[in-house]
Amino acid sequence: KAGVTQTPRYLIKTRGQQVTLSCSPISGHRSVSWYQQTPGQGLQFLFEYFSETQRNKGNFPGRFSGRQFSNSRSEMNVSTLELGDSALYLCASSWGTASYEQYFGPGTRLTVT
Amino acid sequence: DAKTTQPPSMDCAEGRAANLPCNHSTISGNEYVYWYRQIHSQGPQYIIHGLKNNETNEMASLIITEDRKSSTLILPHATLRDTAVYYCIVRVQGNAGNMLTFGGGTRLMVKP
Repeated sequence: KAGVTQTPRYLIKTRGQQVTLSCSPISGHRSVSWYQQTPGQGLQFLFEYFSETQRNKGNFPGRFSGRQFSNSRSEMNVSTLELGDSALYLCASSWGTASYEQYFGPGTRLTVT
Repeated sequence: DAKTTQPPSMDCAEGRAANLPCNHSTISGNEYVYWYRQIHSQGPQYIIHGLKNNETNEMASLIITEDRKSSTLILPHATLRDTAVYYCIVRVQGNAGNMLTFGGGTRLMVKP
């Protein structure tokens, strides 16, 4: 069974630009969550989608948004990039909304210059 | 979700048991204890979870104290590949969603 895949793996953007990251969950999984990991703040929850609906949202500005498609693939978008958005963005998938195990992808390393 | 306290770092000799403690003194009755680990440059990996009974799987054992205010993750025979940051998380299990609140974790260094 293929794991969670994230594309691209590495990305370099300039301040003010916008970026879209993609996550393909494990086949059959319907929940996708996104996290941001930085050296200073650690791993922080961004949002969770289930059946194309946002279920939970973390404490991030509105520049961070996401969506989920009918095939459970998810994208997250960050607009008007700031230097502080440089981070590893991780997505995790699970079967349902009350899953014991979540499976993380390898992440997308975003660098904002 | 209740907060957890873990030592920032620990060392363990290869082949020995690694015992990683976690304090969660404000845990509620419906909160589970979860352990994840993150090997360098990879996404976190689920290890084990429990409510009040001790649990064991192919990766590790989880010992939860009777008052549920602390727990210990045990890697019975640590290998160099177990070097990672280990996160103890407590959260309600239910239809509230899958959000995980990560703390600082314990950086385990397994040494030859």
